[in-house]
Amino acid sequence: DQQVKQNSPSLSVQEGRISILNCDYTNSMFDYFLWYKKYPAEGPTFLISISSIKDKNEDGRFTVFLNKSAKHLSLHIVPSQPGDSAVYFCAASYNQFYFGTGTSLTVIP
Amino acid sequence: EPEVTQTPSHQVTQMGQEVILRCVPISNHLYFYWYRQILGQKVEFLVSFYNNEISEKSEIFDDQFSVERPDGSNFTLKIRSTKLEDSAMYFCASRETGFGSPLHFGNGTRLTVT
Repeated sequence: DQQVKQNSPSLSVQEGRISILNCDYTNSMFDYFLWYKKYPAEGPTFLISISSIKDKNEDGRFTVFLNKSAKHLSLHIVPSQPGDSAVYFCAASYNQFYFGTGTSLTVIP
Repeated sequence: EPEVTQTPSHQVTQMGQEVILRCVPISNHLYFYWYRQILGQKVEFLVSFYNNEISEKSEIFDDQFSVERPDGSNFTLKIRSTKLEDSAMYFCASRETGFGSPLHFGNGTRLTVT
């Protein structure tokens, strides 16, 4: 029951360019969506979230877009920096939190 | 910035032994969680805990697992008789309250069952 899917296991982007990470979900009951960043040997770190009543939320270089009709979530990082290289997880919640399998982002200097 | 702390960072145990993983959630948080991540797989929900009782648990969280908040600060996960397939990273998380508050994770305990 993979309710949250990240279909791209990896992504490489040049420094300074835009990184776009994608996430799809199946459950229309989800009302809160989040992105987490994870470095090796550390726990996931909260990045940014969005509630289902919005379609965009921005925090500095990070913007999350929600398309409820398509059940699609994306994270844009502009401009990408080498320190952004990490695994990114999307998560969705109504009673509990469901996580995707992660996308490994590599930002090439 | 307040953080969730987990101990130990790595635990090695023999199959059939009991282990206790420890967590100190952020002090003003009210909801507590355990997740696990088997190598190369997704982060999986185990259990949530609120108001001194389990609020929800997954099918992974069977009778071999238990959680406890023995005092005002610690939150523990006990596995009574470990199996090889329990080898994973175990993450504790907490959140403040209600809708719209994110989970904050600890750095995890790597459990290796031999």
